[in-house]
Amino acid sequence: DAGVTQSPTHLIKTRGQQVTLRCSPKSGHDTVSWYQQALGQGPQFIFQYYEEEERQRGNFPDRFSGHQFPNYSSELNVNALLLGDSALYLCASNLAASPSTDTQYFGPGTRLTVL
Amino acid sequence: GNSVTQMEGPVTLSEEAFLTINCTYTATGYPSLFWYVQYPGEGLQLLLKATKADDKGSNKGFEATYRKETTSFHLEKGSVQVSDSAVYFCALSERGTGRRALTFGSGTRLQVQP
Repeated sequence: DAGVTQSPTHLIKTRGQQVTLRCSPKSGHDTVSWYQQALGQGPQFIFQYYEEEERQRGNFPDRFSGHQFPNYSSELNVNALLLGDSALYLCASNLAASPSTDTQYFGPGTRLTVL
Repeated sequence: GNSVTQMEGPVTLSEEAFLTINCTYTATGYPSLFWYVQYPGEGLQLLLKATKADDKGSNKGFEATYRKETTSFHLEKGSVQVSDSAVYFCALSERGTGRRALTFGSGTRLQVQP
């Protein structure tokens, strides 16, 4: 049973650039959420996608955008990168119609460094 | 809004010691509660969960009981091992609203010495 996968593992960008991170949900899952985890902190919710629409959004600027594809995979895009965007970006998935819809399963994350 | 408060770490214990990591929460609704664990260089793994008052979640010797009256979900283990060294996150999500975002605490680092 394939778990949540993310790519790339690591990424180095410079300020002002744009970045795209990718996520494939756990097999059978249809909902994808993205989180930002700064060093030494707990993850912060960015947004959640279901049925190819953004369903909920955390307190992040419009520079952060996303997309969900028909196969349930997802992308996170960040424009005009700032030094403060350096973090571990985590993708999580769940099945919306399951009795345990609130249990999210996480991928290994993408480590983004902005120089 | 929702928030989760955890005891600050690091918590340093000797092998076979008893572990308690405190977690309290504030929620506008009736949340589900979780403990996640993060090993060095890895993502988050679900450790245990509880969805209603007085439920006890348990896994790998860890336990936590959903206490609605004290808005707490403390993590306990009777005898820790070196392999339990990791960062532990308490989290909550709202139920029944269609919103599934997890709200995390800041994490508690556990170091177990042989």
